[in-house]
Amino acid sequence: AQTVTQSQPEMSVQEAETVTLSCTYDTSENNYYLFWYKQPPSRQMILVIRQEAYKQQNATENRFSVNFQKAAKSFSLKISDSQLGDTAMYFCASTTTSGTYKYIFGTGTRLKVLA
Amino acid sequence: DTGVSQNPRHKITKRGQNVTFRCDPISEHNRLYWYRQTLGQGPEFLTYFQNEAQLEKSRLLSDRFSAERPKGSFSTLEIQRTEQGDSAMYLCASSPRDRGANYGYTFGSGTRLTVV
Repeated sequence: AQTVTQSQPEMSVQEAETVTLSCTYDTSENNYYLFWYKQPPSRQMILVIRQEAYKQQNATENRFSVNFQKAAKSFSLKISDSQLGDTAMYFCASTTTSGTYKYIFGTGTRLKVLA
Repeated sequence: DTGVSQNPRHKITKRGQNVTFRCDPISEHNRLYWYRQTLGQGPEFLTYFQNEAQLEKSRLLSDRFSAERPKGSFSTLEIQRTEQGDSAMYLCASSPRDRGANYGYTFGSGTRLTVV
């Protein structure tokens, strides 16, 4: 069975600074996908970034990048030049590459960006 | 297309009553998912539809829960004889067939259920 663990319930960062959110996972699958989703207060969850497990290169989307360590089963999210609009819950998730593609989510990290 | 739409946004019901939620996915998406999110937790998978076929149900979905997706369009999630433990945010998500869910879901804003 897949599991996803986020060990940081809350974090804060000063505006314009860099912050890293941690995520570890466990899976017996050979191929899988990993995601970071952002859930702003009272708003819908949106995809931030995704990583395919068979790709060694870390995914990057503008100010968001990941550090994917497959052997360590670690998938951290780095947010550079933090903005007030980055304040949200961040969820790490994994899925397999076949079947229903259901996601296993972590418990989330509440990030607050301070002015 | 305005994305995934869920109604109602909020529902307060008395214990023992039945409730029904609706999800309208993005029109060209054939995959539809329901998740439940309780306070302080990440979303948990409830059930999955591919077109009109319900292909997987979580053990979290007790006999009091039923979901349908007639004609492969909108979906409904019904909870019968609600209990206080059913209080949660119910999220719907969809994804297209050609790209697959590995490219990420589009989520709705959710229906927040409070059972009093």
